[in-house]
Amino acid sequence: DTAVSQTPKYLVTQMGNDKSIKCEQNLGHDTMYWYKQDSKKFLKIMFSYNNKELIINETVPNRFSPKSPDKAHLNLHINSLELGDSAVYFCASSRETVTDTQYFGPGTRLTVL
Amino acid sequence: KQEVTQIPAALSVPEGENLVLNCSFTDSAIYNLQWFRQDPGKGLTSLLLIQSSQREQTSGRLNASLDKSSGRSTLYIAASQPGDSATYLCAADSWGKFQFGAGTQVVVTP
Repeated sequence: DTAVSQTPKYLVTQMGNDKSIKCEQNLGHDTMYWYKQDSKKFLKIMFSYNNKELIINETVPNRFSPKSPDKAHLNLHINSLELGDSAVYFCASSRETVTDTQYFGPGTRLTVL
Repeated sequence: KQEVTQIPAALSVPEGENLVLNCSFTDSAIYNLQWFRQDPGKGLTSLLLIQSSQREQTSGRLNASLDKSSGRSTLYIAASQPGDSATYLCAADSWGKFQFGAGTQVVVTP
């Protein structure tokens, strides 16, 4: 059974479009995260939610808006996509915010043309 | 601001040799440090998590040490196998945020 799943796996779109990436975890974790992995393979945290509440919001353009309808889901909506948004986006979850192992999804490769 | 560095960026060893991967961090005020494995085109798999109060963690052929005072963690992989070929990332948890290194790409040749 997949612990952390993301859809879609690949996303190719034109500049200016709006797109969403979905994430679901079936681990019963309280905390979920979104990370961006750029072309140099650096992983950077974007957002963190604990029990549907936003607790970390790094310096991310407000075109990116996370939404957590419930504890098991954290979706990422991106407005007015730009070329620089091309990256792999990873969702992750952990039992608590700071002390526990993070479990990652398979990633969504976003390509903006 | 926490900065995490991994050296070397790439490593190639013959099968059977022990692997030593280094991770350094600038802010010693960390809650924990986690080691991950990333296979090409795939997500991250957690290998070991060391709490700030611990000095090391072991799982099978893997052993990770943590020295907060010097800002270092080392991942040892004993008797490497071709299946160990992957990119290994460390991440330091500071103030609830994981700061990742750029990773060490490992190739184990048969």
